[in-house]
Amino acid sequence: NAGVTQTPKFQVLKTGQSMTLQCAQDMNHEYMSWYRQDPGMGLRLIHYSVGAGITDQGEVPNGYNVSRSTTEDFPLRLLSAAPSQTSVYFCASSSSTLRQGYTDTQYFGPGTRLTVL
Amino acid sequence: GDSVTQMEGPVTLSEEAFLTINCTYTATGYPSLFWYVQYPGEGLQLLLKATKADDKGSNKGFEATYRKETTSFHLEKGSVQVSDSAVYFCALSGGNNRLAFGKGNQVVVIP
Repeated sequence: NAGVTQTPKFQVLKTGQSMTLQCAQDMNHEYMSWYRQDPGMGLRLIHYSVGAGITDQGEVPNGYNVSRSTTEDFPLRLLSAAPSQTSVYFCASSSSTLRQGYTDTQYFGPGTRLTVL
Repeated sequence: GDSVTQMEGPVTLSEEAFLTINCTYTATGYPSLFWYVQYPGEGLQLLLKATKADDKGSNKGFEATYRKETTSFHLEKGSVQVSDSAVYFCALSGGNNRLAFGKGNQVVVIP
């Protein structure tokens, strides 16, 4: 298993440009999520999905869109990049979603370091 | 809402020293608690977890005990190595896989 893969590893954008961060997992996990990591802030949840066709907003969703057409893929779209979106982005997946009060181990990808000029 | 507080600032210590990283939480109900580790240039990996009060999670010489009375989940290791240098994150989940993270602590172990 490759686990959770993310592309690209590094990206530099100009303000106003758009791009898609790719995330894929081969563990047949139902739950996938996107976090951003900023210095001194820990990780903050952007969007998440509990299965194909179902997505929802996390703590900091503004400026980002997601879709989940397959179990394996969960791309994150920046429609008009802003310098405030300079960050390291992590995708994560886990298997359990509907067991009340239970959280399964989340597996993280290696991250995408994005700089917006 | 649910939140996690980790002690401020990086932690620098010598090889074979005792490591403690404090973590306290605020949550309704009975959350699951986690410690994740991030090595330089990598994503986060689960280090250990505990799902109910008084549970002790352990892995690679690290331990943490879920203390409901003090709402804490402090991470400890008796003798650190240079290879333990990393960023450590405490996290909780009230269910449904949503994690709330602390800000993380950079640990630097000097030979």
